[in-house]
Amino acid sequence: AQSVSQHNHHVILSEAASLELGCNYSYGGTVNLFWYVQYPGQHLQLLLKYFSGDPLVKGIKGFEAEFIKSKFSFNLRKPSVQWSDTAEYFCAVGGTYKYIFGTGTRLKVLA
Amino acid sequence: GAGVSQSPSNKVTEKGKDVELRCDPISGHTALYWYRQRLGQGLEFLIYFQGNSAPDKSGLPSDRFSAERTGESVSTLTIQRTQQEDSAVYLCASSAGGNSGNTIYFGEGSWLTVV
Repeated sequence: AQSVSQHNHHVILSEAASLELGCNYSYGGTVNLFWYVQYPGQHLQLLLKYFSGDPLVKGIKGFEAEFIKSKFSFNLRKPSVQWSDTAEYFCAVGGTYKYIFGTGTRLKVLA
Repeated sequence: GAGVSQSPSNKVTEKGKDVELRCDPISGHTALYWYRQRLGQGLEFLIYFQGNSAPDKSGLPSDRFSAERTGESVSTLTIQRTQQEDSAVYLCASSAGGNSGNTIYFGEGSWLTVV
């Protein structure tokens, strides 16, 4: 069965701290991988995506994610978070047409 | 339109009433999705449209839920005889094609509260 696991449900960091959010997926085929972000009061928007090629992908606002096929993982990273990164982050896997989302990680960055 | 538009943005309804939620996708997007997000939970897939047909309705929770799409544009999600457990944000998304190689774009959601 297709599934996405995000192990960190709530993360609290101080500004300038480094961030890594875990994402593991289960899918029996070629996948496309995504991270979406939802800022308070706003709709979900794409942060970055991986389809093929370089497993290290860079997204907006200094975020990056690394696809490790052997671990079925697609962890999101940022070297130094800002207060404005406070948001909910969703990992998603896309198969033929369907996108399966994780339960999300709420990040709070303290100023 | 410039983005995915959903209406109403907020709806409070009494248990047992029917509700209709509307989604206007990005112009030209053939694929349309409905998701549900309950408080504190992830996004739950409901239904996928490619054009006007729905090849995957597997996520609809019960026969009280139905959806249609007309003119390869607007979609309506209908919930009949609403129950309190239907309270959630209903998200619509669209993409340029029916494969996950395309980015999906979300609307702001319709917040449904059943009292």
